[in-house]
Amino acid sequence: DIVMTQSPDSLAVSLGERATINCKSSQSVLHTSNNKNNLAWYQQKPGQSPKLVIYWASTRESGVPDRFSGSGSGTDFTLTISSLQAEDVAIYYCQQYYTLPLTFGGGTRVEIK
Amino acid sequence: EVHLVESGGGLVTPGGSLRLSCSASGFSFSHAWMNWVRQIPGKGLEWVGRIKSKTNGGTRDYAAPVKGRITISRDDSNKTMFLEMNNVKPDDTGIYYCTTEEQRVLDFWGQGVLVTVSS
Repeated sequence: DIVMTQSPDSLAVSLGERATINCKSSQSVLHTSNNKNNLAWYQQKPGQSPKLVIYWASTRESGVPDRFSGSGSGTDFTLTISSLQAEDVAIYYCQQYYTLPLTFGGGTRVEIK
Repeated sequence: EVHLVESGGGLVTPGGSLRLSCSASGFSFSHAWMNWVRQIPGKGLEWVGRIKSKTNGGTRDYAAPVKGRITISRDDSNKTMFLEMNNVKPDDTGIYYCTTEEQRVLDFWGQGVLVTVSS
């Protein structure tokens, strides 16, 4: 199984400041057939189900604000919230879909400082 | 609008069985690949399994911790997916979510249903 490791476990950021979350996979999730990274990010707000934010490592899901961006390739990925808003308080999970079983990172809790 | 509603959760005794349902609306269910993902309250996410559309063979894939104890099925005429699990264990306790899948990306999630395995 591909192991996904996120860091940090939690971070507190001031409103309007940048939040950066890291995700590392135990093996490359880059599909050579289409040169795309099979990596997604999900946001889970308190008391809610997860919601897709980013897929193919850097493509924003429809309706997701452009302050959210994803980057990285191979085994190292980053989710950045460029200007943190109060409604962004959530736990963020990365997930690889390169191969089954689908596996998730342990999550990063983002809070307001 | 895509809408997924899970039901059938509750308290189950160890060694018993459970059957969850996921009722879908707002999209072409018969063409959709569907998944189950679970979450231990306060913990992370674990993929449980999926079922492809019938046009893609209706193939089922399961995670190792549940393989042999679980069956995922679907009723396209009623736009419903099912998860049946037997010989449940305390480690099966969690919130079970059904999701749609687009090229292995889990793009829409239900609100989840709580399953508690305890004597």
